[in-house]
Amino acid sequence: QAGLTQPPSVSNDLRQTATLTCTGNSNNVGNQGAAWLQQHQGHPPKLLSYRNNNRPSGISERFSASRSGNTASLTITGLQPEDEADYYCSAWDSGLSAWVFGGGTKLTVL
Amino acid sequence: QLQLQESGSGLVKPSQTLSLTCTVSGDSISSGIYSWSWVRQPPGKGLEWIGYIYHSGNTYYNPSLKSRVTISADTSKNQFSLKLSSVSAADTAVYYCTREIDAFDVWGQGTMVTVSS
Repeated sequence: QAGLTQPPSVSNDLRQTATLTCTGNSNNVGNQGAAWLQQHQGHPPKLLSYRNNNRPSGISERFSASRSGNTASLTITGLQPEDEADYYCSAWDSGLSAWVFGGGTKLTVL
Repeated sequence: QLQLQESGSGLVKPSQTLSLTCTVSGDSISSGIYSWSWVRQPPGKGLEWIGYIYHSGNTYYNPSLKSRVTISADTSKNQFSLKLSSVSAADTAVYYCTREIDAFDVWGQGTMVTVSS
């Protein structure tokens, strides 16, 4: 059962902008911030950002993350066909002393 | 370049123990600051953290699995392992090993484990 809440699906047109959300509580997203992962079918997840808006080397600037209170967001600008994937948020929950994930959002590029 | 590779039995009978090993190359699991995790993903579903072993050897487990999980490390082989006891069909999943510092930044390719008689 997911500890963080994500919408099951989001869609937008090619070259447009998509914003994905992830809602937690003060023990996880509101405290430690969130990380975002991208997963294409049949592949392992890939880290896109951590601690709200730090991008690992090699990740496009089209991916940007932010947080407001207990909700984290991932904004993807200039949507490309290869952005079509599942996106997961994750956060350390200090109350549970455990990592929690969102249920994932399937992004469709129209 | 850091690489993680899972190995172990792909088919486990109900009530038995699932055993997997993650071999790490390109970094030492006993070096400071990192922890080494297991994450699983049932077919068509989301990700679930199982637990991790810290570079010091301390372990943390998902409370929902804690009674059945053991994660250990063999620093001489640069490997860490997962044992999940009393498995059922609900434990059928792709199991990933991953490195963690602030987030899960490097992942293995994953290994499918099916629980079936």
